Amino acid sequence: AQSVTQLDSHVSVSEGTPVLLRCNYSSSYSPSLFWYVQHPNKGLQLLLKYTSAATLVKGINGFEAEFKKSETSFHLTKPSAHMSDAAEYFCVVTFRSGAGSYQLTFGKGTKLSVIP
Amino acid sequence: NAGVMQNPRHLVRRRGQEARLRCSPMKGHSHVYWYRQLPEEGLKFMVYLQKENIIDESGMPKERFSAEFPKEGPSILRIQQVVRGDSAAYFCASSPRTGGPADQETQYFGPGTRLLVL
Repeated sequence: AQSVTQLDSHVSVSEGTPVLLRCNYSSSYSPSLFWYVQHPNKGLQLLLKYTSAATLVKGINGFEAEFKKSETSFHLTKPSAHMSDAAEYFCVVTFRSGAGSYQLTFGKGTKLSVIP
Repeated sequence: NAGVMQNPRHLVRRRGQEARLRCSPMKGHSHVYWYRQLPEEGLKFMVYLQKENIIDESGMPKERFSAEFPKEGPSILRIQQVVRGDSAAYFCASSPRTGGPADQETQYFGPGTRLLVL
């Protein structure tokens, strides 16, 4: 079974300061991992994905994440927060079911606030 | 290239009525997933369909919920005799049929349908 734990339900940063959103996963096999962002009353947008290639993954809008197998972590970072980054972020692990579907298992989300 | 489309965006139903949620996948995608998001929670998998086939419905409630993806037209998630606990955001995602596993397992989400049951 696989699971995802997002360690912070809320993170607040000042504009222009670094962002760190933490995610730990549990998986019985080599996982694929994703970060999605959800703006209020909007759908989910794919930020980046790790699929067993390079461990440092660059995504859109200046975000990146590093896969660390020894720590079972996939933390999301950005060097400098922008007001438009305020949203909810979901760490996701994919699971190939016996029926052949790629089910996504979501963390509970981290709400990022950016203070002017 | 239009993304995943869902309609309606908001739906209000009274207890006991039926709710029909529609999802049109991205162009070139033939795999559709439905997820439900309850307040303050992440998304939970419900069902995975390909054209005219339900592949995995392990996340669907056993009663009142059904899904289809006909040869022509959008995928439909149908909830019969809605109850207040069905109030949630329902998201559809699509993925391509072709490509390697990394492509097929990447899912692109629609804007969701927010269902409110009075």
